[in-house]
Amino acid sequence: AQSVTQLGSHVSVSEGALVLLRCNYSSSVPPYLFWYVQYPNQGLQLLLKYTTGATLVKGINGFEAEFKKSETSFHLTKPSAHMSDAAEYFCAAMGGIQGAQKLVFGQGTRLTINP
Amino acid sequence: KAGVTQTPRYLIKTRGQQVTLSCSPISGHRSVSWYQQTPGQGLQFLFEYFSETQRNKGNFPGRFSGRQFSNSRSEMNVSTLELGDSALYLCASSLARQDFTPWDEQFFGPGTRLTVL
Repeated sequence: AQSVTQLGSHVSVSEGALVLLRCNYSSSVPPYLFWYVQYPNQGLQLLLKYTTGATLVKGINGFEAEFKKSETSFHLTKPSAHMSDAAEYFCAAMGGIQGAQKLVFGQGTRLTINP
Repeated sequence: KAGVTQTPRYLIKTRGQQVTLSCSPISGHRSVSWYQQTPGQGLQFLFEYFSETQRNKGNFPGRFSGRQFSNSRSEMNVSTLELGDSALYLCASSLARQDFTPWDEQFFGPGTRLTVL
């Protein structure tokens, strides 16, 4: 079964600093990987996704993630944090049963931005 | 284009009662998935419906059920509520077709926050 692990339930960075949120997935062929963001009292919004092809994926709001098969990782980065990036971030994987739309989520990482 | 809507947004029930939550997908989307979000268990998949048929189901007891109507709107029902059912219930819709297209983005609604007393 698919599993996703996010390292660090809380990450705190200063405004303007690099954001790095870590995600590892269990090996599955092929893994489809996603990063979602959730603001308070809202649903999830897709930041970016990896399906096939280029391993460096660019998303919205300046975020990007790199798929590394050898490390089974899909870490999310942003060069310069902004106060508006404060939210909870979820890494998710999809795959497995044919015809299913089942996302398996990591436990989430709460990102705090210090002024 | 209107997003995914969920009603009601907030709900308070007592143990033993049942509850029905509603989800209206984005127009044209035929797949609707439901997720439960709690502080302890995180986000967990409940079930997915496509063209009025349940295509996949998560590991939840039979008290959790759902259905999808011909207009793709979906409802989920929880019977005999327990305190542990208190959660944010999220609905997501996608363009997913009959064939397997996992890269179709799932669009999430704002959720229904259920509190069981």
